[in-house]
Amino acid sequence: GQNIDQPTEMTATEGAIVQINCTYQTSGFNGLFWYQQHAGEAPTFLSYNVLDGLEEKGRFSSFLSRSKGYSYLLLKELQMKDSASYLCAVRDSNYQLIWGAGTKLIIKP
Amino acid sequence: IAGITQAPTSQILAAGRRMTLRCTQDMRHNAMYWYRQDLGLGLRLIHYSNTAGTTGKGEVPDGYSVSRANTDDFPLTLASAVPSQTSVYFCASSDSGEREQFFGPGTRLTVL
Repeated sequence: GQNIDQPTEMTATEGAIVQINCTYQTSGFNGLFWYQQHAGEAPTFLSYNVLDGLEEKGRFSSFLSRSKGYSYLLLKELQMKDSASYLCAVRDSNYQLIWGAGTKLIIKP
Repeated sequence: IAGITQAPTSQILAAGRRMTLRCTQDMRHNAMYWYRQDLGLGLRLIHYSNTAGTTGKGEVPDGYSVSRANTDDFPLTLASAVPSQTSVYFCASSDSGEREQFFGPGTRLTVL
């Protein structure tokens, strides 16, 4: 079967750095996405990786290792507004997104 | 309209009733999707449409139907609602040549 694993919840301190991991087992691979979802709102796109390596976008970076079935999202200089759920999703061989259950990130002052 | 809209925002429905959730996008995206989101689970694909006039079944299609008569609209119908269909429903779209999906604000549905 297809499976996306990510931690259920993480806590970090304002101004610090946090890494959210995602491991996947899917039928085929056509890219990995990270989305942010604030409570009661829709998911919004953060990053996309299709080749191995690091993609940096401001305070957020995403890393992919296809051979290990592994990705992480790195958030730097954490702000209170970064408190949200972070969703990992893999596009499979049918070009459909398979979603993880999300990681709830709690930022403490 | 800017992006994707969904209606209604929320709804309480008696079991056995028929309900249509509406979704409209103005980005001229070819592909559209319906997901449900339940606590502790990832988004699950119900139905999708790669282009107007075509639809396909996702991971959890039973009890739901869709149509795609034109590019902009992608309604989701529950023919006879059951309590297990209580969920938050998100509509999304993407251009077939682009990478990310854009999501509507969601419909919170409660079936009693």
